[in-house]
Amino acid sequence: AQSVTQLGSHVSVSEGALVLLRCNYSSSVPPYLFWYVQYPNQGLQLLLKYTSAATLVKGINGFEAEFKKSETSFHLTKPSAHMSDAAEYFCAVSDTGNQFYFGTGTSLTVIP
Amino acid sequence: DADVTQTPRNRITKTGKRIMLECSQTKGHDRMYWYRQDPGLGLRLIYYSFDVKDINKGEISDGYSVSRQAQAKFSLSLESAIPNQTALYFCATSGTSGRFNEQFFGPGTRLTVL
Repeated sequence: AQSVTQLGSHVSVSEGALVLLRCNYSSSVPPYLFWYVQYPNQGLQLLLKYTSAATLVKGINGFEAEFKKSETSFHLTKPSAHMSDAAEYFCAVSDTGNQFYFGTGTSLTVIP
Repeated sequence: DADVTQTPRNRITKTGKRIMLECSQTKGHDRMYWYRQDPGLGLRLIYYSFDVKDINKGEISDGYSVSRQAQAKFSLSLESAIPNQTALYFCATSGTSGRFNEQFFGPGTRLTVL
């Protein structure tokens, strides 16, 4: 069985501060992991994905995530928050690529 | 033009009415999905289809049905809508060239059942 847990449904950071959004997964096989972003009134867009090629994955808009097998984690980070980063972020896991399991989401607020 | 489109974008209906949400894609993907999004619950899978002749139930299929009319079209129906089906509904597609294909999402349909 697969599942994703996102710690913190709401995260607030100051503009220019580090962004850290947490994701822990459960999977019986080596997982494929994804981070998606959802801006208001829009669908989800892929930020980055882990496919076992490298544990540190770089995505769009300056985001990156590190796969840590020992911690079953795939946390999303960005060194310096921008106002445009305010959105909802979803972590997702898949084992075979047939079904995707999403976390409950983390709403990021950026304070000017 | 958007790769994945959904119609309508917004719909208000009454309890007991039949509703159809439509999804079309121009990405040429075989795989299509329907999700619903509720605050605090994330996205939950309703149905998915890997080709025109393949339909599978997801986590929360009760009260819903689907039709895959063509590779590019996947419709979701609520036979008799109820208020707890009020939610944001997303269609998504993915390719089959590898195990780690990401999904591409439509803009969503906001459904309100009164």
